[in-house]
Amino acid sequence: SQQGEEDPQALSIQEGENATMNCSYKTSINNLQWYRQNSGRGLVHLILIRSNEREKHSGRLRVTLDTSKKSSSLLITASRAADTASYFCATDSQGAQKLVFGQGTRLTINP
Amino acid sequence: GAVVSQHPSRVICKSGTSVKIECRSLDFQATTMFWYRQFPKKSLMLMATSNEGSKATYEQGVEKDKFLINHASLTLSTLTVTSAHPEDSSFYICSASKPSGRAGETQYFGPGTRLLVL
Repeated sequence: SQQGEEDPQALSIQEGENATMNCSYKTSINNLQWYRQNSGRGLVHLILIRSNEREKHSGRLRVTLDTSKKSSSLLITASRAADTASYFCATDSQGAQKLVFGQGTRLTINP
Repeated sequence: GAVVSQHPSRVICKSGTSVKIECRSLDFQATTMFWYRQFPKKSLMLMATSNEGSKATYEQGVEKDKFLINHASLTLSTLTVTSAHPEDSSFYICSASKPSGRAGETQYFGPGTRLLVL
């Protein structure tokens, strides 16, 4: 079963704008990860945030984690057309090695 | 780096045949590999966890006799879809994690295999 719920399911913005995607989960976690998937391709790891971290940055990406609310957000600043993809959050399932993926957000950046 | 390859990238087969998909970690040893299935515009659904030298652990609802997984070496896992039927058509993705022993570590994904069963 999918633990993560993401919103919005789809997001369309203009190039240069910021894009924010949210993810909620149900059980306790060790860490939360964000992945990107271009259409018909495999997933690319973007960032991992551990349960004792609240915020993490990587280039134009900013991830926050609120364990009290069991939620995370991914912010992409100054979006580019190449950012068009699906974005998934993934959590470890109750301390197991396997990951449980959210439903994903389909992001479209309009030039 | 951590590169994972999959072969073939796409396959079309007739109903009733078996199809083998290979997943290789190219520049690291992967004691654990994972097999996912993804339907169009949907999320990844974990099918099984493959551990080198032991039997795979299948998720609930996944037929182990239908989807045979072999992890014979630290760099290769194979998924065989036996007696494939049109409903098995899907995008199959593998991933591998480095042997850190910690829960929920980063997984490195292959490019996926698109299977179409006619």
